[in-house]
Amino acid sequence: DTGVSQNPRHKITKRGQNVTFRCDPISEHNRLYWYRQTLGQGPEFLTYFQNEAQLEKSRLLSDRFSAERPKGSFSTLEIQRTEQGDSAMYLCASSSGQGVDYGYTFGSGTRLTVV
Amino acid sequence: GDSVTQMEGPVTLSEEAFLTINCTYTATGYPSLFWYVQYPGEGLQLLLKATKADDKGSNKGFEATYRKETTSFHLEKGSVQVSDSAVYFCALRTNAGKSTFGDGTTLTVKP
Repeated sequence: DTGVSQNPRHKITKRGQNVTFRCDPISEHNRLYWYRQTLGQGPEFLTYFQNEAQLEKSRLLSDRFSAERPKGSFSTLEIQRTEQGDSAMYLCASSSGQGVDYGYTFGSGTRLTVV
Repeated sequence: GDSVTQMEGPVTLSEEAFLTINCTYTATGYPSLFWYVQYPGEGLQLLLKATKADDKGSNKGFEATYRKETTSFHLEKGSVQVSDSAVYFCALRTNAGKSTFGDGTTLTVKP
């Protein structure tokens, strides 16, 4: 068990550029989550997958954001036409089980800075 | 909607002091409750959980009891150490999807 892996750790991009982040969850975890965290705030839900199906997407997520989880393994989060307000830590987490009793295993996050 | 309110920090304690970090919640369903910890330079880690009323979660000397009547899940430790310095997040989960997190409480323990 190597934990949840996120790449890259840091990304600096110019406003208007597209960026893509990758998350590799714990292999036996069928649920994968994306959260965003800004300084002084708790993680904010973006979207989640059960296997390859995207089951829920936050209303806060604009259409510039898209996530995929092909074949139910790794996941990518893409942000198109980045804005300065997108600067944040993007967290990926995975979880086993079907119910609400299971906690998350988080990755170390990808810190995005839009300049 | 669901929400979690944590006591504002930062909290600064001397080593071996007693710790309480307050957490209250509102939820539309019957949630499971969690505490996560983020040590400096690391990702969030699950610290403990409780899944029904009056359950007590415990780990690494930390405890929290699920109080449905007061909608609370306060984190306690009898004797903190310098290594406990971290940011602590309270969270709830009412369905198999998203969790809702508080804004975190920063704890600094001085020797």
